Amino acid sequence: DAGVTQSPTHLIKTRGQHVTLRCSPISGHKSVSWYQQVLGQGPQFIFQYYEKEERGRGNFPDRFSARQFPNYSSELNVNALLLGDSALYLCASSNPGTSGNTIYFGEGSWLTVV
Amino acid sequence: AQRVTQPEKLLSVFKGAPVELKCNYSYSGSPELFWYVQYSRQRLQLLLRHISRESIKGFTADLNKGETSFHLKKPFAQEEDSAMYYCALRDTGGFKTIFGAGTRLFVKA
Repeated sequence: DAGVTQSPTHLIKTRGQHVTLRCSPISGHKSVSWYQQVLGQGPQFIFQYYEKEERGRGNFPDRFSARQFPNYSSELNVNALLLGDSALYLCASSNPGTSGNTIYFGEGSWLTVV
Repeated sequence: AQRVTQPEKLLSVFKGAPVELKCNYSYSGSPELFWYVQYSRQRLQLLLRHISRESIKGFTADLNKGETSFHLKKPFAQEEDSAMYYCALRDTGGFKTIFGAGTRLFVKA
């Protein structure tokens, strides 16, 4: 039973570059959310997508964007990378409207911006 | 503004001692409150939610709306409880979850 999977697990980018992170939800889950976790802090909400539509957005600049595909997988894109974007990016999937609506997290993608 | 505050970054207790991890929240509506845990080298996972009023691994948490708190408690800490604990709040729409900064629990033998 596959959990939430994310790719890549680690990557290094240069300031100003663009990055795309990918997430596959648990089978049957229709919602994907993205979080940024900087060292020493809790996860910060970036986006939530449900049925391919953005349903929530955190306080992140427009350099951050995301989308959800018909198979419910998702991509997080970050443009014009800054050093401060270095963090663990977590993806979580859930099924809103179902009993409990538990969020299940992936292992994350470690992004280092140099 | 929606906010979750965990005042302790680190909590160290001896095995068998009671433990309480504090969580306070700020939210204008009726939120859902959760505790998540991250053991070493494992992914973040749900420990318990206030709706269920359940006890998981000996941990309980009571929602106190008057004090806007959701403290996590266990009467007798075990070494395997050592982990990072995050308190989280989900808004009534169910589409945004806000996490606290986390408390690292260290249970000493």
